[in-house]
Parts: sequence; C-alpha cells; structure tokens
Amino acid sequence: DIVMTQTPLSLPVTPGQPASISCKSTQSLLHSDGTTFLYWYLQKPGQPPQLLIYAVSNRFSGVPDRFSGSGSGTDFTLKISRVEAEDIGVYYCMQSIQLPYTFGQGTKLEIK
Amino acid sequence: EVQLVESGGSLVQPGRSLRLSCTASGFTFDDYAMSWFRQVPGKGLEWVGFIRSKAHGGTTEYAASVKGRFAISRDDSNSIAYLQMNSLKTEDTAVYYCVDGSLGYWGQGTLVTVSS
Repeated sequence: DIVMTQTPLSLPVTPGQPASISCKSTQSLLHSDGTTFLYWYLQKPGQPPQLLIYAVSNRFSGVPDRFSGSGSGTDFTLKISRVEAEDIGVYYCMQSIQLPYTFGQGTKLEIK
Repeated sequence: EVQLVESGGSLVQPGRSLRLSCTASGFTFDDYAMSWFRQVPGKGLEWVGFIRSKAHGGTTEYAASVKGRFAISRDDSNSIAYLQMNSLKTEDTAVYYCVDGSLGYWGQGTLVTVSS
C-alpha cells in the first residue's frame, strides 16, 4: 500500500497568517496519462470531509482561492495564503492512483 | 446540486449483517462510479470500496479489511448505491460515507455500531 505522511500533525495559526501542510507518498502518484492523483480534504468539526484540491493543484467548486496546492511525484504541499477562523479542522491528503486509496494521518489546524 | 444521503446505520451485534443505502441526486448517477469510505469516530479516514459504472463493467474493488465480507451494488434506475455488510466485527464500528465518482461529493454519513 502507498503510505501518505503528513507534517505537521498539529498547526496553530494566527488569523491572517499563512499556513502550509506537507504530504509525502511512498510511491509516485503520477499516472501515465499525466494526471497526478493527489487530493486535499478539510474535515470541519462534526462534518464530512470536503474536497479542497484535486489533481495536486485544482481547486474544487466553491473553494476560496486562498487555498492552493502544489507538488509533484511524491512530494506535495497545501497552502493557505491567509488563514480564516472558518478554516479550522483536520486536513487530509489522499491518493487514488493505486488501490487501496490511502490517506495521510491528518493535520489539525487550530486558531491561536 | 449534488446530494448524497446515506441511511441504514444502526447498532448491530457482532457476526450480524447490515445494509447501508446511498440515495443520490443532482447528477447522472449511471455515469459514475460510487465509493464508500468510513471513519472511526475521532480517527482518520479509510477507503472501503467502490463500484464502477455499468459502462465500465459495474465491477467492484474492496479494501483488504472488508473483502469477502462487504459487497457494494447499485440500482441505477433509482440512483441508489448499497453497501451490504456481513459478518460484522467490532472494528467495523464507524461512520460510513457515500462518495461520488469524482471523490468530490460526500454524504453526511451514517453511524454503524457493532457491539454486543
């Protein structure tokens, strides 16, 4: 199985400041068709996960542009340009290039 | 608007069976694979399995932890996906989520508790 490793696991951030989460996979997530199968989700307290980013850097419908994704191969980053109070929750990366789909452990973002 | 509504979660004894349903709306259900994920309360996310669209054979894939015990099926005429769970174990206790083929739309989840 592909192992997804996120850092940090806890991220205290002051509103208005930037935040960054790293996600590393044990195998390349690049498919032969050129797509990289890396997703970022945010799970707010008491809610199901919501998709933020797909294919490394594409924002899902309705996602604010303060969220951005980057990376390639096995090394990926989610950045929030200016954290807002509503961004609190647990962030997960996920790969779907190989079965079973696997997630990172989650990064809990909290407001300072 | 895409909506996915899970139902069927409950308290069940170990070794028993349960069937979850996921009723979809707002998209052409037949065209998409449908997935199930789960989450032990307070823990991380786990992929359970998916069913491909009929156009792609309607075949299924499962996580090793549920293979041989769980089965996913679909009723395209009513836009419903099912998760049949047999030989349930205490470690199957989780919130079960139905997810569309894009992996972008998730239901609110339904809680399955396996306990004697």
